[in-house]
Amino acid sequence: EVQLVQSGTEVKKPGESLKISCQGSGYSFTSYWIGWVRQMPGKGLEWMGIIYPHDSDTRYSPSFQGQVTISADKSISTAYLQWSSLKASDTAMYYCVRIMGARGDAFDIWGQGTMVTVSS
Amino acid sequence: SYVLTQPPSVSVAPGQTARITCGGNNIGSKSVHWYQQKPGQAPVVVVYDDSDRPSGIPERFSGSNSGNTATLTISRVEAGDEADYYCQVWDTSSDHLYVFGTGTKVTVL
Repeated sequence: EVQLVQSGTEVKKPGESLKISCQGSGYSFTSYWIGWVRQMPGKGLEWMGIIYPHDSDTRYSPSFQGQVTISADKSISTAYLQWSSLKASDTAMYYCVRIMGARGDAFDIWGQGTMVTVSS
Repeated sequence: SYVLTQPPSVSVAPGQTARITCGGNNIGSKSVHWYQQKPGQAPVVVVYDDSDRPSGIPERFSGSNSGNTATLTISRVEAGDEADYYCQVWDTSSDHLYVFGTGTKVTVL
């Protein structure tokens, strides 16, 4: 079964750092782009960025450039999303996604989501 | 950046047809994907590349795209179709690349 399994719920304080993960299985991890999507409470979907695990080619949405870092470790089929200094406004559900084929294709596989709560 | 506009809500009776629009400048020149998100769940793609359906998605879900409007049509609506629906495009004209629509809540009466 093709799936993306994300790390668990996080509760952090403002200013703390965080790295969440997304492990792919059931397919060739290095052959598909992986993306990250944010969904703030009660709001819509926002694309954050994508990475090609084969060579770590990464593209960011201008809205998230400089705010987060996307990386991947192809040896363990895992992609990451990290923050160096969290803000309350980072409270959201974060989904990793697999992109069907080339860049521009649909997100055909979604992780279960990682809920991040940032509160003092 | 490219903007995709959807109606906030659509209401439909069981057995009827729901049409969800996604408006964008010359969207007909782009490939549109549609996602369904039920409460507490991750989204699922129901239509990709304007009108293709992934395996496992009922034929009741169909899509079209022309001019400035793309449309997701749900025929013979069932109670289980109640969800939020988002359109999405790949916009190479800006750095925003993937753009999601504002989302439409479909309510089955």
